[in-house]
Amino acid sequence: DAGVTQSPTHLIKTRGQQVTLRCSPKSGHDTVSWYQQALGQGPQFIFQYYEEEERQRGNFPDRFSGHQFPNYSSELNVNALLLGDSALYLCASSHVNVGGNTIYFGEGSWLTVV
Amino acid sequence: ILNVEQSPQSLHVQEGDSTNFTCSFPSSNFYALHWYRWETAKSPEALFVMTLNGDEKKKGRISATLNTKEGYSYLYIKGSQPEDSATYLCASYSGGGADGLTFGKGTHLIIQP
Repeated sequence: DAGVTQSPTHLIKTRGQQVTLRCSPKSGHDTVSWYQQALGQGPQFIFQYYEEEERQRGNFPDRFSGHQFPNYSSELNVNALLLGDSALYLCASSHVNVGGNTIYFGEGSWLTVV
Repeated sequence: ILNVEQSPQSLHVQEGDSTNFTCSFPSSNFYALHWYRWETAKSPEALFVMTLNGDEKKKGRISATLNTKEGYSYLYIKGSQPEDSATYLCASYSGGGADGLTFGKGTHLIIQP
């Protein structure tokens, strides 16, 4: 049983560009969340998707957007990249949108903005 | 407490010794507390999800307790082994769920042979 998979694992972008990160949830999971981990910080919640809709959103600007597909996979898009967007982006999945369920994480996508 | 706080930030422990560290979280609107172990270049591994005051969970040599009234959780490792070296993260989930999981910065544990 494959766990949460993310792609790409590493990428380098230039300021002002746009990036798309992809996530496939663990089999049987229907809820996908995205987190940003900057250096020296704990992961910060970006948003959560359930039934192809954004259900919850953290304190991130509209440059951060996402999508969930019918097969529950998800994309995170970041527009107009800033140097401060350099971070590890983690995708997490769970079954049903309940915080008391175990949440599984992928290995993350390292984004460097230069 | 407005944020999730973990202490200590880092910890060096001799192999075979037992150790513990703390996670403090907002007690208002509490719903669940998650513990993760995160080894370098791997995905965070879910250890425990705890919801009830007084909860105590165990997985091998690792155990955790939860006090929702005062807003803290302890993680214990008995007889530390080199493979226990990792960053241990805790995360709180509030009842409103408006912000997903709120993570602490983690405790970086190094087991010295």
